[in-house]
Amino acid sequence: DAGVTQSPTHLIKTRGQQVTLRCSPKSGHDTVSWYQQALGQGPQFIFQYYEEEERQRGNFPDRFSGHQFPNYSSELNVNALLLGDSALYLCASSSTGQGTYEQYFGPGTRLTVT
Amino acid sequence: GNSVTQMEGPVTLSEEAFLTINCTYTATGYPSLFWYVQYPGEGLQLLLKATKADDKGSNKGFEATYRKETTSFHLEKGSVQVSDSAVYFCALRDQAGTALIFGKGTTLSVSS
Repeated sequence: DAGVTQSPTHLIKTRGQQVTLRCSPKSGHDTVSWYQQALGQGPQFIFQYYEEEERQRGNFPDRFSGHQFPNYSSELNVNALLLGDSALYLCASSSTGQGTYEQYFGPGTRLTVT
Repeated sequence: GNSVTQMEGPVTLSEEAFLTINCTYTATGYPSLFWYVQYPGEGLQLLLKATKADDKGSNKGFEATYRKETTSFHLEKGSVQVSDSAVYFCALRDQAGTALIFGKGTTLSVSS
């Protein structure tokens, strides 16, 4: 049973560029959440997707957007990258349909903005 | 708003020592509480959880008890191993939301 997978593993971008990160949830899960983890900090909630809609959003600007596909996989898009966007981006999946809500995390995508 | 406060690290222990990592929270109602562990270069793994007051979560020798009167969820282990070296995060999920709110993390380093 595959867990949560994320791609790519590492990414280097330049200020002002746009980036797309991808996440496939654990088998049987229908909900995907995205977190940003800056170096030496705890993860910060970006948003959560369920039934292809954004269900809850944290305190992040509109430059951060997302999408969920019918197969429950998800993308995180960040526009107009800033140096401060450099971080580990974590995807977590859970099951709303089964009412468990426990979140399982992927290994993350390390984004470096230069 | 909701928040989690963890003791500052790093925590440095010898193998077989007793571990306590303090965690307190601020939240309305009855949040669910979690401890996650992050090994170097990896994502987060759920270590244990508690969903109501006085519940004790336990896993791999680690324990934490949900104390509503002190709004605490301290992590303990009776005898740490070198393999326990990692960063430990305390987190809560409030009743209304689905997002996890994390503390800043505590780095544990165990030497043989």
